Amino acid sequence: SVLLYQKPNRDICQSGTSLKIQCVADSQVVSMFWYQQFQEQSLMLMATANEGSEATYESGFTKDKFPISRPNLTFSTLTVNNARPGDSSIYFCSSRTGVSAETLYFGSGTRLTVL
Amino acid sequence: GQQVQQSPASLVLQEGENAELQCNFSTSLNSMQWFYQRPGGSLVSLFYNPSGTKHSGRLTSTTVIKERRSSLHISSSQTTDSGTYLCALERKSNYQLIWGSGTKLIIKP
Repeated sequence: SVLLYQKPNRDICQSGTSLKIQCVADSQVVSMFWYQQFQEQSLMLMATANEGSEATYESGFTKDKFPISRPNLTFSTLTVNNARPGDSSIYFCSSRTGVSAETLYFGSGTRLTVL
Repeated sequence: GQQVQQSPASLVLQEGENAELQCNFSTSLNSMQWFYQRPGGSLVSLFYNPSGTKHSGRLTSTTVIKERRSSLHISSSQTTDSGTYLCALERKSNYQLIWGSGTKLIIKP
């Protein structure tokens, strides 16, 4: 299994500012994923981050708005640039131990409120 | 159309009753994964079930590929089972996950 430590747990920021969310795994993982979840809704995959390469973004998410870094096999950061109230949601990092490994593990989530 | 349809959207039961949650899918899958999420909390994997039936305590997951459905059964529900249950289909072609819309389960004492 993999334990993912995510911080901060919650944040409140003003519109137009940027904030960074960190995710640390307790063991090396090939891929890290970032998800967005609006209140009481399903998860949306934002991007997939592999070590040493540019993140792959899903439709509706861009590198300029949500830059992701993956400097090593245990760490990733998601930045929310030029935050807007519509970005208010919960952000999760997740990972699996291998490309086709079974279980997906999740961090505790970061609840973001943009004023 | 939606490749994974989860039902019901919400379910309210009395403690002790059984809960049946379902996901129907329209695309080829490697597996169906079931997750539990407390309100505002993280997700915990309950089952990774490519086919057949799996058990874990009071929980049972059944995936029937021919019928394009996967179910999660909770027997003798408890108030602590309350939360949101999500299914996620792992696509056969690229291992990508396609998420259901979730079932909000409320167990009343």
